[in-house]
Amino acid sequence: DQQVKQNSPSLSVQEGRISILNCDYTNSMFDYFLWYKKYPAEGPTFLISISSIKDKNEDGRFTVFLNKSAKHLSLHIVPSQPGDSAVYFCAASAPGGGSQGNLIFGKGTKLSVKP
Amino acid sequence: GAGVSQSPRYKVAKRGQDVALRCDPISGHVSLFWYQQALGQGPEFLTYFQNEAQLDKSGLPSDRFFAERPEGSVSTLKIQRTQQEDSAVYLCASSLGPRQGQYFGPGTRLTVT
Repeated sequence: DQQVKQNSPSLSVQEGRISILNCDYTNSMFDYFLWYKKYPAEGPTFLISISSIKDKNEDGRFTVFLNKSAKHLSLHIVPSQPGDSAVYFCAASAPGGGSQGNLIFGKGTKLSVKP
Repeated sequence: GAGVSQSPRYKVAKRGQDVALRCDPISGHVSLFWYQQALGQGPEFLTYFQNEAQLDKSGLPSDRFFAERPEGSVSTLKIQRTQQEDSAVYLCASSLGPRQGQYFGPGTRLTVT
């Protein structure tokens, strides 16, 4: 049973417009959420994170929103650029236990930004 | 280099062979994680080290999988008697400490024929 779900396998947007990538989770113990970007044949690259004590975190063109009551987070990219075309993974972690921060990933959403 | 490196980048093994995958984390990073990524899926946790101590190996799929980090820096993931279902990309990540941002290597793509 997937604890982190990215229900859209792909998304296509026009350059300059907003890209919105969505992620849902089921484990209420998750308190730290991250977005990673992945190009083919490379490892995931950290993009932005948010702690459960916040509902928004912004870094340049990237903003992550967290809705704890809905167990939902989203990544907004404004404006979208062709170089943003990649697979985006949502990930989460829970405190405590022996896991010490291992990440639970969604299946990813492939974003294509068209010029 | 400044990032996490992994070798080899690609490995083809015949079923039944043993393989060893290497990870060089970022210098000074205490925490090291191994993940397995199957085609079309997100990475899945395998095991976690804090320095040389393996604190969590709950994600290792079978006792054919073994990981070590004897001096608290370089780590090796060993898979014995490889099976076709072991074919995947194996990713290593390191971080300054538990619950800090994880930096991933490029991965090793293992194909078992």
